[in-house]
Amino acid sequence: TQLLEQSPQFLSIQEGENLTVYCNSSSVFSSLQWYRQEPGEGPVLLVTVVTGGEVKKLKRLTFQFGDARKDSSLHITAAQPGDTGLYLCAGVSGGYNKLIFGAGTRLAVHP
Amino acid sequence: ETGVTQSPTHLIKTRGQQVTLRCSSQSGHNTVSWYQQALGQGPQFIFQYYREEENGRGNFPPRFSGLQFPNYSSELNVNALELDDSALYLCASSLVDRHQETQYFGPGTRLLVL
Repeated sequence: TQLLEQSPQFLSIQEGENLTVYCNSSSVFSSLQWYRQEPGEGPVLLVTVVTGGEVKKLKRLTFQFGDARKDSSLHITAAQPGDTGLYLCAGVSGGYNKLIFGAGTRLAVHP
Repeated sequence: ETGVTQSPTHLIKTRGQQVTLRCSSQSGHNTVSWYQQALGQGPQFIFQYYREEENGRGNFPPRFSGLQFPNYSSELNVNALELDDSALYLCASSLVDRHQETQYFGPGTRLLVL
């Protein structure tokens, strides 16, 4: 069974702080995706990482895929209240691109 | 705004009843996946439909079934509802003809089973 574990589960920080969220698995995925989900909405794709060791940047967000393609991290620099939400990682699995999600990290950024 | 819509937004049912949830995909998307997201959890894959045929299924019992129609709409049907079926149900559409296609999620239907 392929599982993704995210840590921490909850994170409450002040505006301007930096943070890192982790996504770990014992399985190898063909690619890994990060989503953000806000209350009352579905997950919205932030990034897809494919190659082991790959680093992608999206403004203040930096995503890294582990060399063995089993883990990933999301680093946010100078967090803002607009970054508040549920961050989900998802491994892409199987020939039909089934997504296996972690339980998510709920981030609250306070002004 | 992903272009994927779901109806209804909220629904209350009682144990043993049947429910049909609807999803309208982005125009041209030939694949729809359904996910169940329990409170405090990440979404869990229920099944996927590709060109109106079931293309893969997660660890859900047969009382969860689906349909996909040629007009880019789809349905998730759940029979004999149980309390544990209370969750947010998400559909996601994609175009499976490119490498690494993106799945676009709808806002979900929140189902409460009493």
